[in-house]
Amino acid sequence: QVQLVQSGAEVKKPGASVNVSCKASGYTFTSYYVHWVRQAPGQGLEWMGVINPSGGSTTYAQRFQGRVTMTRDTSTSTVYMELGSLRSEDTALYYCARVAIGTYYFDYWGQGTLVTVSS
Amino acid sequence: QSALTQPRSVSGSPGQSVTISCTGTSSDVGGYNYVSWYQQHPGKAPKLMIYDVSKRPSGVPDRFSASRSGNTASLTISGLQAEDEADYYCCSYAGSYIRVFGGGTKLTVL
Repeated sequence: QVQLVQSGAEVKKPGASVNVSCKASGYTFTSYYVHWVRQAPGQGLEWMGVINPSGGSTTYAQRFQGRVTMTRDTSTSTVYMELGSLRSEDTALYYCARVAIGTYYFDYWGQGTLVTVSS
Repeated sequence: QSALTQPRSVSGSPGQSVTISCTGTSSDVGGYNYVSWYQQHPGKAPKLMIYDVSKRPSGVPDRFSASRSGNTASLTISGLQAEDEADYYCCSYAGSYIRVFGGGTKLTVL
């Protein structure tokens, strides 16, 4: 069955970076884009960006450009999202979600990774 | 890219119908046939309810329907049930792989 399994919760200090992983299984890794979406406590969903696991190309939301990097490892079917220069406002639940090539909706989501930024 | 506009909350009694709106622009909601809707229960990941403006994935009850007029998409839930109480988010393609979400609507079943 399709699974997107994310890494565990992280606590970081302001100014640090965090790296969240999303391991895919149960489907052909290179046939689906992987997006990252975050949700601050009590807030709505916010799109961060997308990576094409096939070629590694990325597109980031304008507000995260320069701070976020998405990469993938095809040998382990894992996608990574690194967010740098963390501030308290980055405290959120970070989700990965897949989108089949040629479609435009998220059909499977990871379980979410809580990132807490606190001094 | 600005968030799509949704009402903060809606409510209805069991058996009734409610409609949640999602207003964007001609660069997102009105420009592409790629609006999707997600249901999120507390502590859970979002779940796809509608895709491509009005299509329902298998397993989603036909009580859930959706449409679009101009730059506004709408999700209608008929025959409300207690388990429909959740947060609902619209999402639109905005070109160049970009996505934009609505702010979310809390549905309360009275």
